[in-house]
Amino acid sequence: EPEVTQTPSHQVTQMGQEVILRCVPISNHLYFYWYRQILGQKVEFLVSFYNNEISEKSEIFDDQFSVERPDGSNFTLKIRSTKLEDSAMYFCASSMGGLNTEAFFGQGTRLTVV
Amino acid sequence: ELKVEQNPLFLSMQEGKNYTIYCNYSTTSDRLYWYRQDPGKSLESLFVLLSNGAVKQEGRLMASLDTKARLSTLHITAAVHDLSATYFCAVDIEDSRDDKIIFGKGTRLHILP
Repeated sequence: EPEVTQTPSHQVTQMGQEVILRCVPISNHLYFYWYRQILGQKVEFLVSFYNNEISEKSEIFDDQFSVERPDGSNFTLKIRSTKLEDSAMYFCASSMGGLNTEAFFGQGTRLTVV
Repeated sequence: ELKVEQNPLFLSMQEGKNYTIYCNYSTTSDRLYWYRQDPGKSLESLFVLLSNGAVKQEGRLMASLDTKARLSTLHITAAVHDLSATYFCAVDIEDSRDDKIIFGKGTRLHILP
């Protein structure tokens, strides 16, 4: 069964460092998303991506964040200069779009900023 | 701005009992999802509800949608310990290009043996 895969599963980084979280969405999906979940809290929308551009982003997704789909299969989230409060679980999701679609989530990357 | 509210946020119940989790949302939507999350794990899709009056059942879980009331329910029948998890409802905004799905805060369900 097709699935969304994310790497790494866990990343520890020093404050101020850049991190890149990687996702491989399901191959025929057209819409891609990043969400984050701070430990024990709700799942928060960060950004959606369609047709090679950002279609919507939340206020969390500031200038420190960027997304890219560099090669038609990977979908990456970059955090330029990590802060302690960026520590969270980051989920990638993808969907086909259209009325009967649903979003499928990857297993997540646990980012720990120290 | 779309708001999604779940209640209760925490539920502890005995095995064998029935209970309902409620999800209210603040604007029209053409899609409502229920997800399950085990501790430290990802989001497992349980149900996608697309139309008013939609009802879906899987095992001991049944989800329904009332778009007029902007309310979805997740009903648990004869709970078993394996259903202990956090359950999220999530709503897709109508008239968008599938741009984002907004999650409720989740209901942490703890089923006592």
